[in-house]
Formats: sequence, structure tokens, C-alpha cells
Amino acid sequence: DAKTTQPTSMDCAEGRAANLPCNHSTISGNEYVYWYRQIHSQGPQYIIHGLKNNETNEMASLIITEDRKSSTLILPHATLRDTAVYYCIVRVRGLGNFNKFYFGSGTKLNVKP
Amino acid sequence: ETGVTQSPTHLIKTRGQQVTLRCSSQSGHNTVSWYQQALGQGPQFIFQYYREEENGRGNFPPRFSGLQFPNYSSELNVNALELDDSALYLCASSLEQGRRNEQFFGPGTRLTVL
Repeated sequence: DAKTTQPTSMDCAEGRAANLPCNHSTISGNEYVYWYRQIHSQGPQYIIHGLKNNETNEMASLIITEDRKSSTLILPHATLRDTAVYYCIVRVRGLGNFNKFYFGSGTKLNVKP
Repeated sequence: ETGVTQSPTHLIKTRGQQVTLRCSSQSGHNTVSWYQQALGQGPQFIFQYYREEENGRGNFPPRFSGLQFPNYSSELNVNALELDDSALYLCASSLEQGRRNEQFFGPGTRLTVL
């Protein structure tokens, strides 16, 4: 029941912007898009999230299309330490404070010197 | 502020055995979610506990069960282990109705079933 699709892998030169795309064409109006990353099979780490407006924080920017069917995570100046698997996630809310994260299969970002 | 911790780090079991994995939530968090991550795949939601009750479940059989304790720590129990249960098991804690509803993940328990 995957709700997101991502490319399997991407390469990026160190110091350049990394743009990671994600499709979530079946997303509903109240479902958020989250991005996490996972390094060396450690626990995933939060990067950013959004509903319909573009978002920016100290780590990244999130661009969500107007129809909300896709989004792009932007790492403005990739470093070697940004090499990781990046997951695009749809968060579904249910009854009684229930929140479920639907993870995609992830994009392996390789940042090269 | 203590982060999410899990124990044990690694575990080896044989088919048919039972296993209990443990998770300590981040301080102040009242919700715990468990995920199974097979090699090379994204985490798959198992279930979520909020204030000691299961309030949501993914597509996992009943032999996957859990508990949440009054201090919000949690256990994942798996009975009648199968080879396909070999995976990294992640727990994540969150504060429901928090500003970001961000889930904080632990380092995981690597379970190998032989």
C-alpha cells in the first residue's frame, strides 16, 4: 500500500544542490508529506514536512506542487555527509490521535567529491 | 533530553521461537509506533500505541503484538518466528498533537531468524 514513489538512486556533486523528487498522486487533502533520511541502517532522521505550502528550514527546502501530487526535497549545498537514503512519506491521520507514516522505497543519494 | 532507545541491538533466533523487543520513548512522548524494515526496503508500519492502547495497525498478522507501559515505554512481541521476520525493527516515539507530529526513531533492533 505504498503511497509514494521515488527514484532508486541519484548522484550529486559535493557543493551542488540535490533535488530529490517524489510522486504521491493519491494523497488526500489533509495528508502531510514528510521527508526523513537514514544513514547506514540507523534510525531515520526527520528533515522537513509540509501540507501544501513550500517549506524551508536549516536543513532543506520542500517544494510541493499546487495539485499536491508530487514534491521535491532540495538540499541546497550537498556535502559528503548527506550521502544517505532519503524517504518521502505520507502521514495519514485517523481516529483517536492515530498517525501512520507510509514510507516509500527511498532514494539513495550519493554525494561525490 | 534522552532520545529513543531500543534493546537489544542485535538478536538471533530460530524459526518457531518467540522474541520480545523493547523501546524507551523520548522524554514526554506519549505515542509509540513500531516498524519493520526488511533489507533494502523502506520501513513498514506494524502498529501504534497511544496511552497504553493500540490505536492503529498495519498489515501484520496477530502473532505481532505489543504493549505500552504507564511510562510510555513499549514492547514488540513476535510469536512463532518465520524466516521472513528477519529485519530491522524500529520504534518511533512522538507527542501527539505536538506542533510537528514528528516521529523520533530509535536505532533499531536487528533480528535474524535462522
